[in-house]
Amino acid sequence: EDQVTQSPEALRLQEGESSSLNCSYTVSGLRGLFWYRQDPGKGPEFLFTLYSAGEEKEKERLKATLTKKESFLHITAPKPEDSATYLCAPRSNDYKLSFGAGTTVTVRA
Amino acid sequence: DVKVTQSSRYLVKRTGEKVFLECVQDMDHENMFWYRQDPGLGLRLIYFSYDVKMKEKGDIPEGYSVSREKKERFSLILESASTNQTSMYLCASSSPSLGGNEQFFGPGTRLTVL
Repeated sequence: EDQVTQSPEALRLQEGESSSLNCSYTVSGLRGLFWYRQDPGKGPEFLFTLYSAGEEKEKERLKATLTKKESFLHITAPKPEDSATYLCAPRSNDYKLSFGAGTTVTVRA
Repeated sequence: DVKVTQSSRYLVKRTGEKVFLECVQDMDHENMFWYRQDPGLGLRLIYFSYDVKMKEKGDIPEGYSVSREKKERFSLILESASTNQTSMYLCASSSPSLGGNEQFFGPGTRLTVL
């Protein structure tokens, strides 16, 4: 059975204080790992897809990296508008996404 | 701009009622999905569909059914609503012909069953 664990559950940062979120996964035959951002009361918004170990993707202050068992989402010099819940979802052989419970990031000005 | 819409943002129903949740996408996507999201549990897949009139069970299909009569519309049906079906319901769509096959989500329907 596919398993996904995100840590920490919650992260409180001061504006400008960089940090990293972790996504540990066990899936049979990874076919990509997806990162989403979700604002309160809204649906998830797609950020990145990573396909192979060593791959990195960047978007503004966010950078996602992938190893064989983990993915990290690095937030560099965050701003209050980066406050959201970040979800990771590896995709397995049958092309289904398995979502983690998410990390809720709060950035204080 | 890609768009997935859901028929209601908030819905309150009584135990035993039949509930319909509608989802429409305007991107001509082949794949459509229904998830429910509960605190601490993440998104869990209820049903998905790879084509019109086609459906596949996800991880938690019990108590739910779906209908896909047209490519752009995917309906989730709660045959007899129960209080443990109180949740946020999210619809998504994707296309295997689009590079990464990423899923695009609607805004969600928060369903309360009393």
